[in-house]
Amino acid sequence: AQRVTQPEKLLSVFKGAPVELKCNYSYSGSPELFWYVQYSRQRLQLLLRHISRESIKGFTADLNKGETSFHLKKPFAQEEDSAMYYCALGDQGGKLIFGQGTELSVKP
Amino acid sequence: DGGITQSPKYLFRKEGQNVTLSCEQNLNHDAMYWYRQDPGQGLRLIYYSQIVNDFQKGDIAEGYSVSREKKESFPLTVTSAQKNPTAFYLCASSIVRLTKAGELFFGEGSRLTVL
Repeated sequence: AQRVTQPEKLLSVFKGAPVELKCNYSYSGSPELFWYVQYSRQRLQLLLRHISRESIKGFTADLNKGETSFHLKKPFAQEEDSAMYYCALGDQGGKLIFGQGTELSVKP
Repeated sequence: DGGITQSPKYLFRKEGQNVTLSCEQNLNHDAMYWYRQDPGQGLRLIYYSQIVNDFQKGDIAEGYSVSREKKESFPLTVTSAQKNPTAFYLCASSIVRLTKAGELFFGEGSRLTVL
């Protein structure tokens, strides 16, 4: 079964600390993985996708097929990073399967 | 200004009533989606449409209905058969790629409360 798991509902860190939001997936085949972010009072938007291998707002995510993971990382968290983060998996029909979401809170 | 517009932003409904949520896009995208967002459950797919006059059920389609008569519009009706309709509803669109997922562009959402 195709599934995305984000084990942490809430992650709280202090400004300047490293942050890692975990994402594990279940998929038979070559996965397409994404991270979406929803800032307060803003619409959900794409943060990054594994295929582009780029860094957005200091965030990176590496696909680890052996561990079936796509964790989102940032070396130094900023207060403006506080948001809801969703990991998503593209299925063979072109749809996205979302995880449960992790709320990141960065404290001053 | 290109994008996806959902209306209304807030909607209250009495039990037993059907309500329709509007979703319009001017991005010329072929595919449109409806997701339901509940705390702790993430986004769950209700219905999706990859072409006009065609749509498919998602994971939680029971109690919902949709139509896709125009490329720009994908309204969602929450019927009285939906057991727990109070939720935040998100509409999205994308360029259709039949075998690969494309970037989804989301609306601002509609919050439905059943009284």
